[in-house]
Amino acid sequence: GNSVTQMEGPVTLSEEAFLTINCTYTATGYPSLFWYVQYPGEGLQLLLKATKADDKGSNKGFEATYRKETTSFHLEKGSVQVSDSAVYFCALTEGGSNYKLTFGKGTLLTVNP
Amino acid sequence: ETGVTQSPTHLIKTRGQQVTLRCSSQSGHNTVSWYQQALGQGPQFIFQYYREEENGRGNFPPRFSGLQFPNYSSELNVNALELDDSALYLCASSLFERGTEAFFGQGTRLTVV
Repeated sequence: GNSVTQMEGPVTLSEEAFLTINCTYTATGYPSLFWYVQYPGEGLQLLLKATKADDKGSNKGFEATYRKETTSFHLEKGSVQVSDSAVYFCALTEGGSNYKLTFGKGTLLTVNP
Repeated sequence: ETGVTQSPTHLIKTRGQQVTLRCSSQSGHNTVSWYQQALGQGPQFIFQYYREEENGRGNFPPRFSGLQFPNYSSELNVNALELDDSALYLCASSLFERGTEAFFGQGTRLTVV
């Protein structure tokens, strides 16, 4: 079955530091890949997505590239802010549909001023 | 701003009882999915409803059931509650068409004692 593995947290950074959160996946077919963010006390928000190999998703300074050869979708940001503190989830669905998102366990990011 | 609302926000139930959680979809969305998020884990897919019928189910027992109404709102019912059912229950609404974004509500925190 499908699965998502992301680096365990928590991750603690200083403001303006570079962020990488690793995500690898196992899936049949051609999954779509997502990063969701969950701020304290809130639901999940879609951060970015990529639907085919070599696509780059980007939003709010965050980027992730769909790497089929390494089955990876690592999240990066060049300069984090305190407001980026949240839990980040890597997820996938089969073939571009929104049916049955499969999530990783989440990575807690704390950014200190 | 998602427009997906869930009620109640918090709930405490006793083992063996039954519970109903409610979700109001974002305007224009015809598909609702439910997820269970245990503490420190990623959300796990329970089931999805489209046109008032179950359109797919994750690895959850039959005591987890749902409904979708003509206005696309939805209910999640859990019978014979167990301690392990304690979790955040998330509702996500979307269009059925592939590639569209799923919008999540803030969730209902269920505690079973």
